[in-house]
Amino acid sequence: GNSVTQMEGPVTLSEEAFLTINCTYTATGYPSLFWYVQYPGEGLQLLLKATKADDKGSNKGFEATYRKETTSFHLEKGSVQVSDSAVYFCALSGAAGGSYIPTFGRGTSLIVHP
Amino acid sequence: GAVVSQHPSRVICKSGTSVKIECRSLDFQATTMFWYRQFPKQSLMLMATSNEGSKATYEQGVEKDKFLINHASLTLSTLTVTSAHPEDSSFYICSGRGSGANVLTFGAGSRLTVL
Repeated sequence: GNSVTQMEGPVTLSEEAFLTINCTYTATGYPSLFWYVQYPGEGLQLLLKATKADDKGSNKGFEATYRKETTSFHLEKGSVQVSDSAVYFCALSGAAGGSYIPTFGRGTSLIVHP
Repeated sequence: GAVVSQHPSRVICKSGTSVKIECRSLDFQATTMFWYRQFPKQSLMLMATSNEGSKATYEQGVEKDKFLINHASLTLSTLTVTSAHPEDSSFYICSGRGSGANVLTFGAGSRLTVL
């Protein structure tokens, strides 16, 4: 079946540091890939997405590139801010077999210190 | 953009009572609604998938008689936790998807505390 694996957190960084949160997936066919963000006490929000190989999703300074050869979709940001502190979820949807039920990773908590 | 309004955001109830959580899609028609339960340490557990006008499909291990899901219209889905017990205390999140869409729109979540 489909699965998403994220690096375990928490990831703790100082403000302006470089961020990478690793995400790899297992799926048949060509799923769409997503990053969602959950701020404390809130639901999830779509951060960015990529629908085909080599696509790069970007938003609010965050980027992720769909790498089919390594089945990865790592999230990066060049300079994090305290306000980026949240839980980040990698997800996939639309894998072969027609399943549009999204599959989520376990989430990675990011803590950014001033 | 698409918004899902989820209410109540917090609810406290006594053991044995029932609680209803509503999710309304604004500015789009949610043909499919997913209901998740979020445990401590973040992980999301898919409870059920409901398509408008059809019975919900529950994931293995989720009691359909305890967690009643109704998706009677394209803009409203409800989750009713029946005869709630303290172990049902959790954060419940809904998410809607329009026809043919691949992106989910999440509600803000409902924190249920059962005393």
